[in-house]
Amino acid sequence: NAGVTQTPKFQVLKTGQSMTLQCAQDMNHNSMYWYRQDPGMGLRLIYYSASEGTTDKGEVPNGYNVSRLNKREFSLRLESAAPSQTSVYFCASSDLGQIGNTIYFGEGSWLTVV
Amino acid sequence: SQELEQSPQSLIVQEGKNLTINCTSSKTLYGLYWYKQKYGEGLIFLMMLQKGGEEKSHEKITAKLDEKKQQSSLHITASQPSHAGIYLCGATRDSNYQLIWGAGTKLIIKP
Repeated sequence: NAGVTQTPKFQVLKTGQSMTLQCAQDMNHNSMYWYRQDPGMGLRLIYYSASEGTTDKGEVPNGYNVSRLNKREFSLRLESAAPSQTSVYFCASSDLGQIGNTIYFGEGSWLTVV
Repeated sequence: SQELEQSPQSLIVQEGKNLTINCTSSKTLYGLYWYKQKYGEGLIFLMMLQKGGEEKSHEKITAKLDEKKQQSSLHITASQPSHAGIYLCGATRDSNYQLIWGAGTKLIIKP
């Protein structure tokens, strides 16, 4: 029972390089999210996908793009990495529209941009 | 400033002692979630509260949502080293797809 799986777990990038964080869920959830977590700031929403075929900006979308490839997969792309994007990234999924449903998180991806 | 304010920011507690963490919003909440994060790991779901006055317990952890649905408290009884970590509250304002999050409370348990 994998839940939410995200890769890679650790990555070091040079400024200007690009990379894609992959995320997949096996719970048949409609909604998927990408968050970043920085010290003292909690979780901030980058992008979310309420359902397959839709994506929307969250609180901090600049410098990122997303693709909802299918119902299972939601990827986050950094086109030209900057040191300010050094952070821990979490993918999550849920069916929050249903009362009582929760949101499930991946284990996180630690990204360092030098 | 955070839309959800958590207090305290950090807490050092002697093993065996009780402790409380608070999560406060200036607006009425639809649903309130508590998660725990171990250092360097993902987020583990603890509890979700939705009704004003609701209280839920799991092992030695109890969470309450006040009647006005603007504040929640997380209480740990007889703390243990396994309780150490970062506790995050998250909330929805309606049945939409976005949550807002507190900045987290870092809990350290002294043996």
